[in-house]
Amino acid sequence: SYELTQPLSVSVALGQTARITCGGNNIGSKNVHWYQQKPGQAPVLVIYNNNNRPSGIPERFSGSNSGNTATLTISRAQAGDEADYYCQVWDSSTYVVFGGGTKLTVL
Amino acid sequence: QVQLQQSGPGLVKPSQTLSLTCAISGDSVSSNSAAWNWIRQSPSRGLEWLGRTYYRSTWYNDYAVSVRSRLTINPDTSKNHFSLQLNSVTPDDTAVYYCARDYGIANFDYWGQGTLVTVSS
Repeated sequence: SYELTQPLSVSVALGQTARITCGGNNIGSKNVHWYQQKPGQAPVLVIYNNNNRPSGIPERFSGSNSGNTATLTISRAQAGDEADYYCQVWDSSTYVVFGGGTKLTVL
Repeated sequence: QVQLQQSGPGLVKPSQTLSLTCAISGDSVSSNSAAWNWIRQSPSRGLEWLGRTYYRSTWYNDYAVSVRSRLTINPDTSKNHFSLQLNSVTPDDTAVYYCARDYGIANFDYWGQGTLVTVSS
């Protein structure tokens, strides 16, 4: 079965750039989606198909995907960006796969 | 604007059936472009996709291997909703359950509010 690996936690200083990685075997050949989840809330899609932002998501959120690693980049990090972030792909054998999630702390 | 409203009990006894419903507004369960999914989240399992139902001239279902033998997802076109039934539950099925829409590109753009289901006697 296909697996996605994320760091448990990432810290970023206020106003700086946060990068959250998502590792998977040849993940560059797949479309990667990213979700933001705040406590007590449902996940929110922030990036789809590697580098596309849904309507209403700030331009500070961007994504990239190549080789065995996909990356969610949050520029000019704000206190309101503190949340858990999950990557997700579609795999032909296991259908939907989520990463384990990364807790982003803004210092 | 699509909205998904979940309903169902928050407590289920072991060995019984967990049943949840997701009411759709702003879209149709019979859409030829969308798929309607159930996802759960627990500290031990993280986010776990359970299955989906969708209509492409006929109805299809896909289920995760981990729950395939116990899970049924059904659409109800008269009420524009879809449901989850998970049989023979154990405490390991305790989780927050979400319904979510996939608009054809294998990601989830709208989610229900979540229902905490506890399996306990």
